[in-house]
Amino acid sequence: RKEVEQDPGPFNVPEGATVAFNCTYSNSASQSFFWYRQDCRKEPKLLMSVYSSGNEDGRFTAQLNRASQYISLLIRDSKLSDSATYLCAVNIGNQGGKLIFGQGTELSVKP
Amino acid sequence: DTAVSQTPKYLVTQMGNDKSIKCEQNLGHDTMYWYKQDSKKFLKIMFSYNNKELIINETVPNRFSPKSPDKAHLNLHINSLELGDSAVYFCASSQGWTSGSIYNEQFFGPGTRLTVL
Repeated sequence: RKEVEQDPGPFNVPEGATVAFNCTYSNSASQSFFWYRQDCRKEPKLLMSVYSSGNEDGRFTAQLNRASQYISLLIRDSKLSDSATYLCAVNIGNQGGKLIFGQGTELSVKP
Repeated sequence: DTAVSQTPKYLVTQMGNDKSIKCEQNLGHDTMYWYKQDSKKFLKIMFSYNNKELIINETVPNRFSPKSPDKAHLNLHINSLELGDSAVYFCASSQGWTSGSIYNEQFFGPGTRLTVL
């Protein structure tokens, strides 16, 4: 089993749709969680950290479920500009800060 | 202002050559990283440095040698390049490396696309 796994995608959705991505992690010692966005041939950009109580930033909502060991990202009212690959990342803690990334989920928002 | 910068952006070279990639961050962060993203887009940690000291070496072949002259710079030297080294190499930095979301938030450079022929 991979340490961090994501929905394989691709997700093809119309503009205005709500789309949700899940990401599971295997190490219960995981401490910090993040969602990154990566556009084609660009670097990953931090979208949001995921806090235990869940957090929201505009149209984006991230949730953490420690009991089931997954994090989720909800995008409401999808825009064409949301088309990208979404990567979840997990920090185990006390391992030099390394992030373990999922394989990414590709999102394509169509007009 | 560029937060994390890398040079060069593209690197095309022959097998067996030695090459270096440079990274600089102006965020005042203590910790810097090298990641490799292969053709399948899988992003994997290679090295981590905190204030010039190596803290992670993720079983990378010893042909890869990172160097951090100061906490704002982290370079990667690769000896005897092989076809399998072709990938995009990303530098990243964070405030620190101990647990806690804010400290672990990592910011990536634009990447160096290495092609070994």
